[in-house]
Amino acid sequence: AQSVTQLGSHVSVSEGALVLLRCNYSSSVPPYLFWYVQYPNQGLQLLLKYTTGATLVKGINGFEAEFKKSETSFHLTKPSAHMSDAAEYFCAVSRTGGGADGLTFGKGTHLILQP
Amino acid sequence: NAGVTQTPKFRVLKTGQSMTLLCAQDMNHEYMYWYRQDPGMGLRLIHYSVGEGTTAKGEVPDGYNVSRSTTEDFPLRLLSAAPSQTSVYFCASRPSGELNEQFFGPGTRLTVL
Repeated sequence: AQSVTQLGSHVSVSEGALVLLRCNYSSSVPPYLFWYVQYPNQGLQLLLKYTTGATLVKGINGFEAEFKKSETSFHLTKPSAHMSDAAEYFCAVSRTGGGADGLTFGKGTHLILQP
Repeated sequence: NAGVTQTPKFRVLKTGQSMTLLCAQDMNHEYMYWYRQDPGMGLRLIHYSVGEGTTAKGEVPDGYNVSRSTTEDFPLRLLSAAPSQTSVYFCASRPSGELNEQFFGPGTRLTVL
């Protein structure tokens, strides 16, 4: 069965600093990986996804993630944090190859921005 | 397009009561999903449907029923609510075919006393 581990339930960064949110996965099939963001009292919004091909994936709002098969990781980064990035971030993996049967999510990382 | 809509936004139930959480999408998506979100647990899949007339169990299906009589609607039923079902419930949908992203509704916050 697929699983996702997000290291750090809370990450605090200063505005303008590098954002690094860690995600490791376990999958018995070639994984399809996703990062979602959740702003307070809202649903989830897709930031980016990895399916096949280029291992460095660019998403919205300046975020990017790199798929590293050897490390079973899919860490999310942003070079310069903005106050508006404060939110909950979820890494997810498709339950099976095609993903028809839904996603398995990590427990989430709350990104805190300090002025 | 309204996207994925959920009603109600909030609800308080007493133990043993029943209720239906409504989910509708106007994007003609074949696949639909129900997740629950609990603090420190992320989202967990309850049930899903890959098309009209079909449903399947996810990770945590006990205590919940679903049906899919139309493409647009995917209601979630709690037959006898329990305090353990206090949670935020999210409905999602996506087009068929591999690798397409899921679109999420705004959620329903349910408290069972």
